[in-house]
Amino acid sequence: GAVVSQHPSRVICKSGTSVKIECRSLDFQATTMFWYRQFPKKSLMLMATSNEGSKATYEQGVEKDKFLINHASLTLSTLTVTSAHPEDSSFYICSAAVEARRSETQYFGPGTRLLVL
Amino acid sequence: GEDVEQSLFLSVREGDSSVINCTYTDSSSTYLYWYKQEPGAGLQLLTYIFSNMDMKQDQRLTVLLNKKDKHLSLRIADTQTGDSAIYFCAESFTGGGNKLTFGTGTQLKVEL
Repeated sequence: GAVVSQHPSRVICKSGTSVKIECRSLDFQATTMFWYRQFPKKSLMLMATSNEGSKATYEQGVEKDKFLINHASLTLSTLTVTSAHPEDSSFYICSAAVEARRSETQYFGPGTRLLVL
Repeated sequence: GEDVEQSLFLSVREGDSSVINCTYTDSSSTYLYWYKQEPGAGLQLLTYIFSNMDMKQDQRLTVLLNKKDKHLSLRIADTQTGDSAIYFCAESFTGGGNKLTFGTGTQLKVEL
């Protein structure tokens, strides 16, 4: 159990376009979902935390108008990179957590590699 | 602040033990985790330890926690080529369902 999927796994887009990444919890309901960004050979940087039905909480330095997060249901969160630029190219990973099981970890998706040309 | 540091690289021979170290600075952390990331993939939870424990063993994995020195280690016994990956430690103040702070990651290379 506790499977998280992401779609697409890889995406290439032109500079100036918007890209939407989906994160789904397949076999459990996630009260909280997290979005991370990972640069090559670097650690994960938390971008934002989203709770179902409410606005996402963004980490310092993350532009909320550029990285739009929607957590419409307990099994789906989306990250939209608006007006993408080459510097947005990165590996984006989502995770999902079940609040009732506080001692356990977040369950991570397989990641989405974004390349902006 | 919340800084979590790891050595960047570790190389071991197949069958040997691997020890990956992690130093954290937030003494209020209550949960400490070890994750494994294979190339181009997400993170897989290996194990976690509560801050009131000194040691936890799970099959080939042994976690040691020294709260006084804020030092966490992961020992992998009988390391196999399939263990080659990047290993991240992470800390949380309120539990895994909340914000995690990740270490810098250690790339483990297992050689034949």
